[in-house]
Amino acid sequence: GQQLNQSPQSMFIQEGEDVSMNCTSSSIFNTWLWYKQDPGEGPVLLIALYKAGELTSNGRLTAQFGITRKDSFLNISASIPSDVGIYFCAGQSSLRHRGSTLGRLYFGRGTQLTVWP
Amino acid sequence: EAGVTQFPSHSVIEKGQTVTLRCDPISGHDNLYWYRRVMGKEIKFLLHFVKESKQDESGMPNNRFLAERTGGTYSTLKVQPAELEDSGVYFCASSQLFRDLSLYGYTFGSGTRLTVV
Repeated sequence: GQQLNQSPQSMFIQEGEDVSMNCTSSSIFNTWLWYKQDPGEGPVLLIALYKAGELTSNGRLTAQFGITRKDSFLNISASIPSDVGIYFCAGQSSLRHRGSTLGRLYFGRGTQLTVWP
Repeated sequence: EAGVTQFPSHSVIEKGQTVTLRCDPISGHDNLYWYRRVMGKEIKFLLHFVKESKQDESGMPNNRFLAERTGGTYSTLKVQPAELEDSGVYFCASSQLFRDLSLYGYTFGSGTRLTVV
């Protein structure tokens, strides 16, 4: 099956620092997604990327869909304590069904982010 | 709008017992997915319903796992008999079928933490 390698596994940073994490895949994906999971909650979508080379921002978050379609990165600028959590990358090989995209997501193992005040 | 609801939030059972997890998707979402995360590992796909039909069940570990979605609304995932390696967090997610080929990502529930002792 398709495997995603996400790094780093964990990060310990000080408030105000920038953070960068990335994912690489053994296979091509048509969609890359970045999720954040808070303790006791399910993953929440942060950014979705649909085209190779696409660079998308959501507030202090910026993510890019690699040109090869086999990688993506997520940057968080000026980190704050509430950025603490587990960040997951996910890829999808879309299936078309009645004009919509369906199908399973393949996830990385997550990056545990700790932010010190 | 209510989110994806999962019940129970925690379950501790003995090896050999049966457990049934329930997921109530967002109203109107035809896609329903089950995922599992074993501690420290990636979130892994189990199966995908479109309405009441199983679209993809290739991620189900073995025949001790049975998922149903009668009537295309809520879904149950039964593990019988449970084994130690079934421990983990089971997530349910739902999404709509869009006409514009865009995937807005899944909405995940908070998960059921299953511990088999």
